[in-house]
Amino acid sequence: NAGVMQNPRHLVRRRGQEARLRCSPMKGHSHVYWYRQLPEEGLKFMVYLQKENIIDESGMPKERFSAEFPKEGPSILRIQQVVRGDSAAYFCASSPDYLSTDTQYFGPGTRLTVL
Amino acid sequence: AQTVTQSQPEMSVQEAETVTLSCTYDTSESDYYLFWYKQPPSRQMILVIRQEAYKQQNATENRFSVNFQKAAKSFSLKISDSQLGDAAMYFCACASGTYKYIFGTGTRLKVLA
Repeated sequence: NAGVMQNPRHLVRRRGQEARLRCSPMKGHSHVYWYRQLPEEGLKFMVYLQKENIIDESGMPKERFSAEFPKEGPSILRIQQVVRGDSAAYFCASSPDYLSTDTQYFGPGTRLTVL
Repeated sequence: AQTVTQSQPEMSVQEAETVTLSCTYDTSESDYYLFWYKQPPSRQMILVIRQEAYKQQNATENRFSVNFQKAAKSFSLKISDSQLGDAAMYFCACASGTYKYIFGTGTRLKVLA
């Protein structure tokens, strides 16, 4: 059973460009969560999605950031017009259900570097 | 608001020895779950151990065990017979009444040969 897949593992963008981060949840999991890890910090919740629905985006910056989880294909975290402060590791996690009883399984993360 | 505090930025342990990593948390919920995740240099987040707050018995996974003190809101991780492969960042996390995991700032564990 493959784990959570994320790609790319490393992404370099210049200021003003767009970054697209992809996440494929574990087989059988329909709930996806995105977290951001700034240098020397713990992970911070950004957004929670189910298929075709954004359930909670309270942790996501109001501008330039968006997320989707289409009926087919991976979940996408999109950052428009990136700035240096967006440089971080972005982790995706999945679970079979949304309950806190369900352990979230994390992908390997995407390290975004903004030049 | 929930908080998770890891007060040890860095710890060292001699190979084959035992080390304990500290974590305290704060939540107003009565039902919650606590986790320890390991993050090696590859940056993969690996679940080490999980504890349900309603269970009094401390969770154990092979060489990893926790000391869960509910009244004190303390959740420490003990690693026995430390191995070089245990070297990593260790994050404590809490999920209480919600899917949002709250993470501490991590403890970097060094294992000395």
